Amino acid sequence: DGGITQSPKYLFRKEGQNVTLSCEQNLNHDAMYWYRQDPGQGLRLIYYSQIVNDFQKGDIAEGYSVSREKKESFPLTVTSAQKNPTAFYLCASSPDGDRTGGYEQYFGPGTRLTVT
Amino acid sequence: AQSVTQLGSHVSVSEGALVLLRCNYSSSVPPYLFWYVQYPNQGLQLLLKYTSAATLVKGINGFEAEFKKSETSFHLTKPSAHMSDAAEYFCAVSELKGKLIFGQGTTLQVKP
Repeated sequence: DGGITQSPKYLFRKEGQNVTLSCEQNLNHDAMYWYRQDPGQGLRLIYYSQIVNDFQKGDIAEGYSVSREKKESFPLTVTSAQKNPTAFYLCASSPDGDRTGGYEQYFGPGTRLTVT
Repeated sequence: AQSVTQLGSHVSVSEGALVLLRCNYSSSVPPYLFWYVQYPNQGLQLLLKYTSAATLVKGINGFEAEFKKSETSFHLTKPSAHMSDAAEYFCAVSELKGKLIFGQGTTLQVKP
């Protein structure tokens, strides 16, 4: 079955530690996205990538980093510089990130990160 | 810049009653609009999308939405609510480079 996988489902870390969230897709999509979800705030875009070896900052990129070395993978690192990292993180992909709309995004199941 | 406003963070209906979730958008170009549903601790699932082919869009699970340009609205409806419809619903508008702008979400509660 084609889809997006995120691992792990739940992640616990101590404050001051970096942590990497995994996102893999086998849909052959060009574009991939990372969102952060907090209660009552909808989804906020962290980073996105339209093509391998290229990515752009979203609305709340500070304290996060990404890489896109392979088409199917887009890992997100939450660094110790992120002041409030506890949240639900969602990865998504879409067939073509270069068009002006029209394509929906497909979402993974999410990773809930808790930092204490 | 595009934006989305969902009116009402919580909506409660009785089982069998009409579901109406409101979404208004702001866009400087003809918009592409989407409704997604999210069950607790899960990712988002696409319910339906508007891409200018027809103003009344039918989606999965009996939901539909009507695009009204004059009102800049894209409200989501379902004639008869089911207990399994209880979830959070997000309206989104497409921006440049495939990005989506999401509303704040509306939590739908269905009472027996």
